[in-house]
Amino acid sequence: DVKVTQSSRYLVKRTGEKVFLECVQDMDHENMFWYRQDPGLGLRLIYFSYDVKMKEKGDIPEGYSVSREKKERFSLILESASTNQTSMYLCASSFVGRASREQFFGPGTRLTVL
Amino acid sequence: GENVEQHPSTLSVQEGDSAVIKCTYSDSASNYFPWYKQELGKGPQLIIDIRSNVGEKKDQRIAVTLNKTAKHFSLHITETQPEDSAVYFCAASIRGGSNDYKLSFGAGTTVTVRA
Repeated sequence: DVKVTQSSRYLVKRTGEKVFLECVQDMDHENMFWYRQDPGLGLRLIYFSYDVKMKEKGDIPEGYSVSREKKERFSLILESASTNQTSMYLCASSFVGRASREQFFGPGTRLTVL
Repeated sequence: GENVEQHPSTLSVQEGDSAVIKCTYSDSASNYFPWYKQELGKGPQLIIDIRSNVGEKKDQRIAVTLNKTAKHFSLHITETQPEDSAVYFCAASIRGGSNDYKLSFGAGTTVTVRA
């Protein structure tokens, strides 16, 4: 079974803190994604990585950065957390160049910024 | 970028009845349309997908239809069961380069199946 794991299920941080969200996948997927999920807005892509050290901005990259030093690990960084970054964060991964474009999601990290 | 609209936002059905969720997309270059189901406390999971060269696809009680001319696609669940209660997301992907792997999601539909 494909497994995508996220470092925390729940996280509470203070405004201005630097926050790291970690994601690890065990299926040797090339692509990895970070989304945020908000009620009434669905899933919005923050950043996308198609290879180690490669990244592309998604639809809402402002206030976020990412790091991918190893194929299986993709980190989302909030340089200075703000209250409007309180949300559910979902990591996903998928293959490149296969017939299936299925994305496999982790269980999510609910981040609260006070 | 691609804009995907999804309706309704909530849907309550009697067990055994059918449920239909509709989505529209804006970019005619979109060629891949998956549907994801998210159960409480879990990440979304793919349940069915369709490509632009196909008009309809069925998998047991779930079917998806695509109308490219009108730029809309729909999810149909027949003989609903309590375990169908979840949030459902439609999505679309634009053809070309890294866009092949990026999805634009609808806002989601919360489906409740009443016993």
